[in-house]
Amino acid sequence: DIQMTQSPSSLSASVGDRVTITCQASQDISSYLNWYQQKPGKAPKLLIYDASNLESGVPSRFSGSGSGTDFTFTISSLQPEDIATYYCQQYDNFPRTFGGGTKVEIK
Amino acid sequence: QVQLVQSGAEVKKPGASVKVSCKTSGYTFATYAISWVRQAPGQGLDWMGWISGYNGDTNYAQNLQGRVTMTIDTSTSTAYLELTSLRSDDTAVYYCARDVPGLDYWGQGTLVTVSS
Repeated sequence: DIQMTQSPSSLSASVGDRVTITCQASQDISSYLNWYQQKPGKAPKLLIYDASNLESGVPSRFSGSGSGTDFTFTISSLQPEDIATYYCQQYDNFPRTFGGGTKVEIK
Repeated sequence: QVQLVQSGAEVKKPGASVKVSCKTSGYTFATYAISWVRQAPGQGLDWMGWISGYNGDTNYAQNLQGRVTMTIDTSTSTAYLELTSLRSDDTAVYYCARDVPGLDYWGQGTLVTVSS
């Protein structure tokens, strides 16, 4: 199975800060990576697909980059409504494993 | 609009089985797969498996092999998840999601509680 290592597991930042989350795959997954946002008590929401493509309707302050084994998710200017847990997921192979999640809080 | 509507919460005893439904609408069911994902209380997302909406082909997480069955009913555009021999650590919210293969639409989740 492909292991997805996400870091940090949590972070605290101020409104307006740039926030970066990384996800490392245990083997080459090309660009077969998605990023999700999950708010408490809600289903996850797809933000980024194919590593760098913004899902329709998602604000442009969210972005993704990377390929192979190393990926980055960025919030260019953190907003109060971005408080959530973020997950990466690979879909290069079955099982389609998720990273452990990054909880983003406001400082 | 695309919708996935799941069946209601369940309480089961250890050793029992549960079957969760996921009724879809707003798109051609056969075009996309459905993935099932669960989330134990306070934990992360756990991918359980995938079923093709076209022909019912499946792929299950290794740790659930033998206990999980995913099926579809194309006449009602509904996907089903059955989990047998339930244990306390199966207590979780179970989600279905349209798999394009990004999981772009999700059901509302079904809480399954396993308790004696």
